[in-house]
Amino acid sequence: AAGVIQSPRHLIKEKRETATLKCYPIPRHDTVYWYQQGPGQDPQFLISFYEKMQSDKGSIPDRFSAQQFSDYHSELNMSSLELGDSALYFCASSSTRDRGPYEQYFGPGTRLTVT
Amino acid sequence: AQSVTQLDSHVSVSEGTPVLLRCNYSSSYSPSLFWYVQHPNKGLQLLLKYTSAATLVKGINGFEAEFKKSETSFHLTKPSAHMSDAAEYFCVVSPRAYQAGTALIFGKGTTLSVSS
Repeated sequence: AAGVIQSPRHLIKEKRETATLKCYPIPRHDTVYWYQQGPGQDPQFLISFYEKMQSDKGSIPDRFSAQQFSDYHSELNMSSLELGDSALYFCASSSTRDRGPYEQYFGPGTRLTVT
Repeated sequence: AQSVTQLDSHVSVSEGTPVLLRCNYSSSYSPSLFWYVQHPNKGLQLLLKYTSAATLVKGINGFEAEFKKSETSFHLTKPSAHMSDAAEYFCVVSPRAYQAGTALIFGKGTTLSVSS
């Protein structure tokens, strides 16, 4: 079965640079979520989109922005990168066609290292 | 606000022995609860979810969890541990799991070690 695709899988950036993470949800999934997992930490919710509209917002820094496109893929844009942004970034997707509670299916993650 | 507390940060078992990973939840109404597993350098995989249809929930790979409202618990169990079960396990609650886009709230995780 098709899974959530994230690219790139690994990314190394320097402080103050920008980064763009991409997420391709499972086909026919209409909802996308972004989570950040620091080293040895539990995942923290950043933001979500349903049918291309922002649905929920968590502890996402103002330096970060995200959107969901017409083909339902999503991009997380991160500017003025800081050392503390080094983490594993997960994308998840779900479908409102499924019976609730809606299960979130996670991608493999993008490991961002800021030097 | 809803939250979950995983009572053990690390659990060690021998292969073939039972596994018990404990989770308590805090919620003012009937919660939607999940258990996810994360193997080293891997993504998060859903083990099982509580939907209020049954208090005993069966998941993948022989895991199951029992929802106990009186104890506000949702402990994860497995009768016999396998080496491949070694991983990080997260107890998760969703405040509004029937609403698209609702965030998942993760516990701090329990590291399960399995020795031969």
